[in-house]
Amino acid sequence: EPEVTQTPSHQVTQMGQEVILRCVPISNHLYFYWYRQILGQKVEFLVSFYNNEISEKSEIFDDQFSVERPDGSNFTLKIRSTKLEDSAMYFCASSEGRHYEQYFGPGTRLTVT
Amino acid sequence: DQQVKQNSPSLSVQEGRISILNCDYTNSMFDYFLWYKKYPAEGPTFLISISSIKDKNEDGRFTVFLNKSAKHLSLHIVPSQPGDSAVYFCAAQNSNTGFQKLVFGTGTRLLVSP
Repeated sequence: EPEVTQTPSHQVTQMGQEVILRCVPISNHLYFYWYRQILGQKVEFLVSFYNNEISEKSEIFDDQFSVERPDGSNFTLKIRSTKLEDSAMYFCASSEGRHYEQYFGPGTRLTVT
Repeated sequence: DQQVKQNSPSLSVQEGRISILNCDYTNSMFDYFLWYKKYPAEGPTFLISISSIKDKNEDGRFTVFLNKSAKHLSLHIVPSQPGDSAVYFCAAQNSNTGFQKLVFGTGTRLLVSP
């Protein structure tokens, strides 16, 4: 069964450093998403991406964040100048269409020290 | 932001019995609802969804009920199995906006004991 994959599974970085989280969505899906879950809190939407551009973003997704689909398979989330409060699980998801179920990857645990 | 609420943080059920997980929402514009299951150190796994034009959707042991007037949905698992032990999230979407974001509840931890 096709699945969303994410690398790395765990990333430790120092405050102020840049990190890139990588995702390979399900191959025939057209919509891609990033969500995050801070420990003990809800899963929160960050951004959705379609047709090589951002289609929706939350207030969390400020200039510190960017997304890119550098080739036909990868989807990346870049966090510039990480802060302690960026420590969270980051989940990538994809869906066939705009209002279809979203399938999630296993997540990347980001720890900012 | 409390648009989607799961008021029971945990639920314990015996194997073979019914598990009922509840979810309430406040935004009347939500029209598509989903349930996800999550094991530790894994991503949410899609279980079942329902559109607001229906009041029930069934898939094997899982049934979701939607009561739009009460802004309430529930997930029934019958019969419950120990492998169902996980955290269950409900999520909602407003498809009319053209946007895709899912708004999640806080989750209910289900423990099914043998």
